[in-house]
Amino acid sequence: DAGITQSPRYKITETGRQVTLMCHQTWSHSYMFWYRQDLGHGLRLIYYSAAADITDKGEVPDGYVVSRSKTENFPLTLESATRSQTSVYFCASSEREINEQFFGPGTRLTVL
Amino acid sequence: GQNIDQPTEMTATEGAIVQINCTYQTSGFNGLFWYQQHAGEAPTFLSYNVLDGLEEKGRFSSFLSRSKGYSYLLLKELQMKDSASYLCAAMDSNYQLIWGAGTKLIIKP
Repeated sequence: DAGITQSPRYKITETGRQVTLMCHQTWSHSYMFWYRQDLGHGLRLIYYSAAADITDKGEVPDGYVVSRSKTENFPLTLESATRSQTSVYFCASSEREINEQFFGPGTRLTVL
Repeated sequence: GQNIDQPTEMTATEGAIVQINCTYQTSGFNGLFWYQQHAGEAPTFLSYNVLDGLEEKGRFSSFLSRSKGYSYLLLKELQMKDSASYLCAAMDSNYQLIWGAGTKLIIKP
């Protein structure tokens, strides 16, 4: 199906473990984004990518790593998970910088 | 610094009209977005304003005043399905979205 998907939808992990969240879009959008959403906060940008092999830091990049070897995929890795990274993570894509962003369904991550 | 302010929660009656306000301060400005987010779901795009004035789209309208750093989302003929959070986001000079914490809209019958 066309669209933007994320996996897993739910994940429980332990402090110190490495976790990778997957994001896949079928529109061939140039731009992809990773956000986290926490109660009482707006969406906060972690990393974004303007094209394959081009990534840049957002507002809260510490503790996260991204890659984009293919246009359609934009995985987010927590190298050593911490409790403060418990959150809902949304991946989004857009055709151009100013265009509306389309969001995936989100991954709810709990770090124990 | 960059900042978006919007009310935390609002309550309205089915069939009525509600206005959700948003004020913003950003480094540069490339437009103002409104998104709707139902509980447990992803945000979905509602509107985009970059010029001053009112944009109407069915029951939803969005207004922008760049000189005042102010926007509002107007929802008419409220339906129960409009119960959701409404997110205001301003795009700064780096084309990054700065998001408000969202306004939870509760619709009562």
